[in-house]
Order: sequence, then C-alpha cells, then structure tokens
Amino acid sequence: LAKTTQPISMDSYEGQEVNITCSHNNIATNDYITWYQQFPSQGPRFIIQGYKTKVTNEVASLFIPADRKSSTLSLPRVSLSDTAVYYCLVVGNTGFQKLVFGTGTRLLVSP
Amino acid sequence: NAGVTQTPKFQVLKTGQSMTLQCAQDMNHEYMSWYRQDPGMGLRLIHYSVGAGITDQGEVPNGYNVSRSTTEDFPLRLLSAAPSQTSVYFCASSSVDANTGELFFGEGSRLTVL
Repeated sequence: LAKTTQPISMDSYEGQEVNITCSHNNIATNDYITWYQQFPSQGPRFIIQGYKTKVTNEVASLFIPADRKSSTLSLPRVSLSDTAVYYCLVVGNTGFQKLVFGTGTRLLVSP
Repeated sequence: NAGVTQTPKFQVLKTGQSMTLQCAQDMNHEYMSWYRQDPGMGLRLIHYSVGAGITDQGEVPNGYNVSRSTTEDFPLRLLSAAPSQTSVYFCASSSVDANTGELFFGEGSRLTVL
C-alpha cells in the first residue's frame, strides 16, 4: 500500500479557498486516491475519489498531476463548518482491505 | 436507511472485564471492518471481513476477536479489557463490487477502561 504524507495542520479564514496537498510517491498503476473528512466525535465521511486529472463534486475538487505522485484536495470558499480532519488515502486494486488512515490534516477555519 | 449502527455508544469497563461492541449494517455490504482511534490520532485497523465466515487481522488485532456469521453483523469482542484499549471504536462497511474507496462509518463507540 502506498504511504501518504500530508501536512499535520492548516489554518484558514471563512470564504477562502483551501488546498491540501498529499504526497504518495510510490503509488501503483492501479491505485486511486480517496479523501475523507472527519468531524469531532464522528466517523470519517467519504468526500471524493480520483485516478488522474481533475474530479469535482458538490463538496470539493481533486487535482491529480500526470505523474500521480501527489494530489490536492481543494475546498472552495470554506466556512466554519469545514473545520475538520482531512485524510488522504491510496486505495489499491485489492480494494480497501487494510485501508490505512494516517493522522490526516487538521483544518481550522476561523471567522 | 439506518446505514451502519454501533452499540453501545459509551461504555466503561474495569480492567480484566470482557465485552462485545456490536456493529450492524443494512446495506448488504460484503466488507466490514473495525478501527480504533486514540485522541489526536488517525484510525488504526483492528480486524476486517470480506464476507460471512471470512475475517482477517489488521494493524492492531491483539486483545480483540471478531466473527462474521451473517452479512449484516460484525461484533468486536474484547477478551480481557486493559487501560490501553481506552479508545473510540469505529465500524465501517462497504460494497466490494463498488470498486471505490468509499467506506461507510458508524458513529463510534467510546470505551473507557479503568
């Protein structure tokens, strides 16, 4: 399973765009990138998944360069309710067996 | 749609006691797993199952047992509770056929071992 590295914490203000980058240098050809969000006292929630280029949904965008060794989760115009921990995971073709969550990035959005 | 249901939400045990954390899902998911999350830490995989009758160990299986007699249920048993097992436990499930990384998590069970 590819190891991921992401910043421990980030600070932002309401209305700003937040970009969280994740490094996954040893990603395999069949792996894809998945991001989760976790609020305090809740289980993680799936946000977005991608294989290459750009993926966008109602919550976020995911940018993946051609070499796929990193990915960037983009949250447009964050609000206080976006304060959470964000996890980047690499999922292999064996599925989510032994899916590993790191410590994630703790995002704090201030007024 | 209930999703993934965990019980109990809170539990206090004394060292040496045993107990079972219950997890049930109503989405007919083949894959189910248990994670523990210690304060300020990420989630660590305890055990997982890819279908009824099939279980395997994760990163931190010691002190825990699981079984999967039905598709819906995946209980986690603490054999002899220790203070080091104080944590929040999350159960998760997913469809194997979906070929995505989308796990559905329960709300968690907060366990304190005195």
